[in-house]
Amino acid sequence: AQSVTQLGSHVSVSEGALVLLRCNYSSSVPPYLFWYVQYPNQGLQLLLKYTSAATLVKGINGFEAEFKKSETSFHLTKPSAHMSDAAEYFCAVSGTGNEKLTFGTGTRLTIIP
Amino acid sequence: NAGVMQNPRHLVRRRGQEARLRCSPMKGHSHVYWYRQLPEEGLKFMVYLQKENIIDESGMPKERFSAEFPKEGPSILRIQQVVRGDSAAYFCASSPQNTEAFFGQGTRLTVV
Repeated sequence: AQSVTQLGSHVSVSEGALVLLRCNYSSSVPPYLFWYVQYPNQGLQLLLKYTSAATLVKGINGFEAEFKKSETSFHLTKPSAHMSDAAEYFCAVSGTGNEKLTFGTGTRLTIIP
Repeated sequence: NAGVMQNPRHLVRRRGQEARLRCSPMKGHSHVYWYRQLPEEGLKFMVYLQKENIIDESGMPKERFSAEFPKEGPSILRIQQVVRGDSAAYFCASSPQNTEAFFGQGTRLTVV
């Protein structure tokens, strides 16, 4: 069984500041981990994924995430926030490639001008 | 290569009517997943299908909900006798033989 916990349902950062969105997972098998972004009234777009290769994963739009097995974490970061980053972000886990995704409840990111 | 296509984007049904949601996967993708997103919540898995087969329906409500992915044509999520609690965004995702699922833009169902 798998689960994901996203700490902080709402996060606000100033434009240009560091973005840190937290995700902790639980999995009985080596996990595949994902971050998705959802803009209002849109579908989900994959930002990045961890599939047991490099622990530091770089994604689109300047985002990256680090897989830390000892902390069961997969936090999402971006060095400098941009206004266009305002959206809802979802962390997800699956056990293998073609299994269902288990999502966290999401973190709404607001960027302060 | 068009993305995952869902239609309609918005659907309004009265209580007791049937809702049919369609999903055309990306070209070459034989795996389809349906998820439901209730207001202010994350996505919850409903069902996983491959062509003509239901692989995992552990997230599907036992009554009124059904899904299919025929040999030809789109995948269909069917909700019979809709109730207000069925109002949600329903997302379809497709994948080939690897780890990445591509999502459609969703169908927003409103039951009045």
